[in-house]
Amino acid sequence: AQTVTQSQPEMSVQEAETVTLSCTYDTSENNYYLFWYKQPPSRQMILVIRQEAYKQQNATENRFSVNFQKAAKSFSLKISDSQLGDTAMYFCAFMKQGGSNYKLTFGKGTLLTVNP
Amino acid sequence: EAGVAQSPRYKIIEKRQSVAFWCNPISGHATLYWYQQILGQGPKLLIQFQNNGVVDDSQLPKDRFSAERLKGVDSTLKIQPAKLEDSAVYLCASSLDVGWSPLHFGNGTRLTVT
Repeated sequence: AQTVTQSQPEMSVQEAETVTLSCTYDTSENNYYLFWYKQPPSRQMILVIRQEAYKQQNATENRFSVNFQKAAKSFSLKISDSQLGDTAMYFCAFMKQGGSNYKLTFGKGTLLTVNP
Repeated sequence: EAGVAQSPRYKIIEKRQSVAFWCNPISGHATLYWYQQILGQGPKLLIQFQNNGVVDDSQLPKDRFSAERLKGVDSTLKIQPAKLEDSAVYLCASSLDVGWSPLHFGNGTRLTVT
C-alpha cells in the first residue's frame, strides 16, 4: 500500500514571494505518477501539476514547479511570485501507473495562506 | 465543457437516517470515482466505476454504503443508516478511459450527521 505524508499542516507567505510545500511518499512501485492538487474554499479539487516517475526532468507549470527526488521519495512544490488567489489547501497525491485502477492516494494537505 | 455536477451542495441529517448523493460526470468520461473527505484529511477513494462496472470498492463500508452507476453515466451514492462519523465532504470525479487522464472533480456535497 502507498502512503503520502505532508508534514506541514499550515504555511503562510507574503504576496510575490516564493514558498515550498513538502511531500514524501512510500511505495514499492517503480512506475507511478505524482500530483499536486489545490482545493480552494469552493471545495473543487484542481490539478496543479503532474510528474511521471520515469522522467528525471522536474515538471513546471507557469509559477508552479516541483523538485522530484525519486531515490529519497520526495516531491515538493514550489510556488513562485505567490498571489492572493493561491490561498488554498494543497494536497500531494500518488497514483500507480498501469492497469485500470487509477486510484489516487492523497496526503492530509497543507493549508497555504498568501498574505497581502 | 461542462464540469462534474453534484447535488445537493449541503445536507444535514440525523444519525440512523438515510441520504443519497447524485453525480453527473463530464460527457464522454467512462471512469467515475466517489471520494470521502473527512475534515482535516485528504480525500479517500470509496468506489471507482468504469462505465457501469465496479473497478474498486475495497474501501466502501458495504454494510451501510451503496453506489450505482446506471447506463454508465450518472451515479448515486447512498448511506443507510448514517452514523456520526459519516460527516464529511463527498467528492465525485470523472476521467476519460484512455490510459491515464486527469481526474476532474465536482464541488462535492458536505454531509453533516447530527
